Amino acid sequence: DFQLTQSPSFLSAVVGDRVTITCRASQDIRNYLAWYQQKPGKAPKVLIYAASILQRGVPSRFSGSGSGTEFTLTITSLQPEDSAIYYCQQLDSYPITFGQGTRLEIK
Amino acid sequence: QVQLEESGGGVVQPGRSLRLSCAASGFTFTSYSMYWVRQAPGEGLDWVAVVSYDGRRKYYAESVKGRFTISRDDLKNTHYLEMNDLRVEDTAVYFCARGVMAPTLDGFDIWGQGTMVTVSS
Repeated sequence: DFQLTQSPSFLSAVVGDRVTITCRASQDIRNYLAWYQQKPGKAPKVLIYAASILQRGVPSRFSGSGSGTEFTLTITSLQPEDSAIYYCQQLDSYPITFGQGTRLEIK
Repeated sequence: QVQLEESGGGVVQPGRSLRLSCAASGFTFTSYSMYWVRQAPGEGLDWVAVVSYDGRRKYYAESVKGRFTISRDDLKNTHYLEMNDLRVEDTAVYFCARGVMAPTLDGFDIWGQGTMVTVSS
C-alpha cells in the first residue's frame, strides 16, 4: 500500500499569508495525486488533480506541485474561508489512500 | 445539476447488515466508476470500495473485504454498498463519490453529502 504523510498536521496563519502543506508518499506515485479541502459537516471538495492542475472553479490562490514522492499544496493570499482540513490522496493504485489531513486555522 | 445523494444510513447493532444507496443525476452514469469513502467521527478520510463504470471490476479496502459488497444498477443510476457483519469500527459518515479507475490523474470530482452509519449495541 502507498502511505501518504502530510505535514504539518496543524497550521495557523493570518489573512493574506502564504502557506504550504507537504505530502510525502512512501513510494513513487508519479503525479497521481489530488488535494481536497473539507469544511466541517461537508463533503470534501477537490482542489487540485494530477498534482498540479487546478480544478475548474477553484480560486487561483491554490496551487500544487511535485511528482514522485513529494508534493506540496500552496495557498497564497489566505482568505477567512480557507479555514478547513486539507487532504492529499493518491490515485496510482488500490487501495486508494489519503493523507491524515492538515487543519488550517485562520487567526 | 450534477449530484449524488446517499441514503440508507442509520443505527445498527454489531453483526447486523445495512445497505447504502447512492443515486446519481445530471451526468452519464455509465461513463464513471463509483466510489465509497468513509470518515469516522473526528477522523480522516478512508477509502472503502470502487466499482468500475461497466461493473466488471470491484476493489475493496482490506478492512471491509469479505463483509462489504459494492454494486451498481445502471437502469436506476444508483450504486450500492451492502454492509454485512458490521463492527463498531465501521461507525462513520459514508460518502459516495464519482471518479475513474486507478491509475488516474483525476480526483473524485463529485461527492454526495454523506450518510451516517452508527454501529452500537
